[in-house]
Amino acid sequence: GESVGLHLPTLSVQEGDNSIINCAYSNSASDYFIWYKQESGKGPQFIIDIRSNMDKRQGQRVTVLLNKTVKHLSLQIAATQPGDSAVYFCAQRAGGFKTIFGAGTRLFVKA
Amino acid sequence: NAGVTQTPKFQVLKTGQSMTLQCAQDMNHNSMYWYRQDPGMGLRLIYYSASEGTTDKGEVPNGYNVSRLNKREFSLRLESAAPSQTSVYFCASSDSSRGNTEAFFGQGTRLTVV
Repeated sequence: GESVGLHLPTLSVQEGDNSIINCAYSNSASDYFIWYKQESGKGPQFIIDIRSNMDKRQGQRVTVLLNKTVKHLSLQIAATQPGDSAVYFCAQRAGGFKTIFGAGTRLFVKA
Repeated sequence: NAGVTQTPKFQVLKTGQSMTLQCAQDMNHNSMYWYRQDPGMGLRLIYYSASEGTTDKGEVPNGYNVSRLNKREFSLRLESAAPSQTSVYFCASSDSSRGNTEAFFGQGTRLTVV
């Protein structure tokens, strides 16, 4: 069945370092991938997305990489800040409207 | 801009009671969704409405019903609450008329069924 999973449930990084959050997905038919950030007590917030015809997309301090060969997605955060501490979810959509979420990775930023 | 607004923010129900979670969006989005989030897990889709007048089941629809009242509003009803429905519920919307786009989420409703 469809699944989106994460390799690391928690990640702790030093302030100023780069963070890399990984995600594996199983549905090779997925054509759209999204990263969300969720802070405590709030709803998920869109960070960046990528379509299956791309392998890299950059935003402000964030980069998403897509490797369709091994069905792997990663989120890179440059110069991680305390405000980046949150749970990060990858999600995939394979046509239609059903978006499948991974379990999430909690990012801790140490000052 | 309010974005996606959910009410109530917190609710405690007794087993067997019914209630309706309300959701409204002011972004003129045509698609709306209801998710539940359980501790340590991602979000699971309960129901969605691709456009006004249509609703479809998601991954975990049992025990729930929905109504797409108009383009702005999408409600989720629990007819007979069970402890297994204790969760945080999120409503979301997206502009699917532009193809694949991100969803915007509300702040969530924390529901406890005792």
